[in-house]
Amino acid sequence: SQQGEEDPQALSIQEGENATMNCSYKTSINNLQWYRQNSGRGLVHLILIRSNEREKHSGRLRVTLDTSKKSSSLLITASRAADTASYFCATALYNQGGKLIFGQGTELSVKP
Amino acid sequence: EAGVTQFPSHSVIEKGQTVTLRCDPISGHDNLYWYRRVMGKEIKFLLHFVKESKQDESGMPNNRFLAERTGGTYSTLKVQPAELEDSGVYFCASSQGWQVRNEQYFGPGTRLTVT
Repeated sequence: SQQGEEDPQALSIQEGENATMNCSYKTSINNLQWYRQNSGRGLVHLILIRSNEREKHSGRLRVTLDTSKKSSSLLITASRAADTASYFCATALYNQGGKLIFGQGTELSVKP
Repeated sequence: EAGVTQFPSHSVIEKGQTVTLRCDPISGHDNLYWYRRVMGKEIKFLLHFVKESKQDESGMPNNRFLAERTGGTYSTLKVQPAELEDSGVYFCASSQGWQVRNEQYFGPGTRLTVT
């Protein structure tokens, strides 16, 4: 069974709207990270939130973490067409040498 | 500073053939990871090198996959013989330290298509 599960699997919004993606996981984590993948390109690291943090901001991104519910959310405010991409959450477990366990991702489409 | 690079960007081979993927990590990064994403599924960990040593290869699917990192610099991932289910995107990542807090920098990936 996978560690990370994301919903929705696909999200289509208009430019200027906010986009919220959710991620759930199963086991205790050291940190949770969000990545973006533009079509045909590599994974870009967006933000890392540690297990003792509840919220983190980076520009138009806001990430929350609820360890009691084993869930995280990524909010992109005032979305732009350039935000169209696949978004993945990834968890880093204790004593696992840094390897990341990814969710299936959310396909975000922002229409101009 | 150059990022993680991977070669080739795309490879199309027939079932039964051999393919070798290459990853050049960021200079000075001792840790190198391989991941892959099979169509429509999640990105899965394959293995982790610390310098030239395999730290964790628990994600390698079977013995048709062989990863090396001679000299602790670039790494290769060989698939021999390739099967249809090996198709997907293979990502390489590197980091300075192995601790979980260290950010991994990903390459653009190699898209492998086995026909």
